[in-house]
Amino acid sequence: DAGVIQSPRHEVTEMGQEVTLRCKPISGHDYLFWYRQTMMRGLELLIYFNNNVPIDDSGMPEDRFSAKMPNASFSTLKIQPSEPRDSAVYFCASSDPGTGASNEQFFGPGTRLTVL
Amino acid sequence: LAKTTQPISMDSYEGQEVNITCSHNNIATNDYITWYQQFPSQGPRFIIQGYKTKVTNEVASLFIPADRKSSTLSLPRVSLSDTAVYYCLEGGNKLTFGGGTRVLVKP
Repeated sequence: DAGVIQSPRHEVTEMGQEVTLRCKPISGHDYLFWYRQTMMRGLELLIYFNNNVPIDDSGMPEDRFSAKMPNASFSTLKIQPSEPRDSAVYFCASSDPGTGASNEQFFGPGTRLTVL
Repeated sequence: LAKTTQPISMDSYEGQEVNITCSHNNIATNDYITWYQQFPSQGPRFIIQGYKTKVTNEVASLFIPADRKSSTLSLPRVSLSDTAVYYCLEGGNKLTFGGGTRVLVKP
């Protein structure tokens, strides 16, 4: 398996622009997580899905952020409009508690977002 | 806020054993204790998980006392490539990462 795939790996945009981050989880995993990592705040859970349904979005910073999972193999995290304080590394992770360790999440390589 | 408390940083030398202790003062009855490792520019990677007593795998050991108020990750004979940030977490599917422990292995 190729692991969790994220695209793009790097994104540079200007304030006010829409940004869409993409994630393909490991096939067969029924949980998908979006995290954000910054030096100041560390690694924060933004939202997670189970069987394509959002379970907990309490970590989503504000209405400018939205996430969707239209099918089991694809998820997006959208920021509209983007702001400089959104600059961070965004990680997607997936897991299958039914077969592996209950807390074993497999992380993607991340998307480094820079908002100018 | 993270549920756990762990040292901010720790230095060691190649070949030594590194032990990182984490406090779990309010751990829930059903929560497992899990440790992750993160290298620069990479996502965290699962190392080991346990509920009680001792768990060992090919890379580490995890010691959890009977009261489960703490856990200790033991890395035997570290090498330079073990330099990373190590996170202890508790919980189920929803994980809260704290600041982690920055381990620097020196030659």
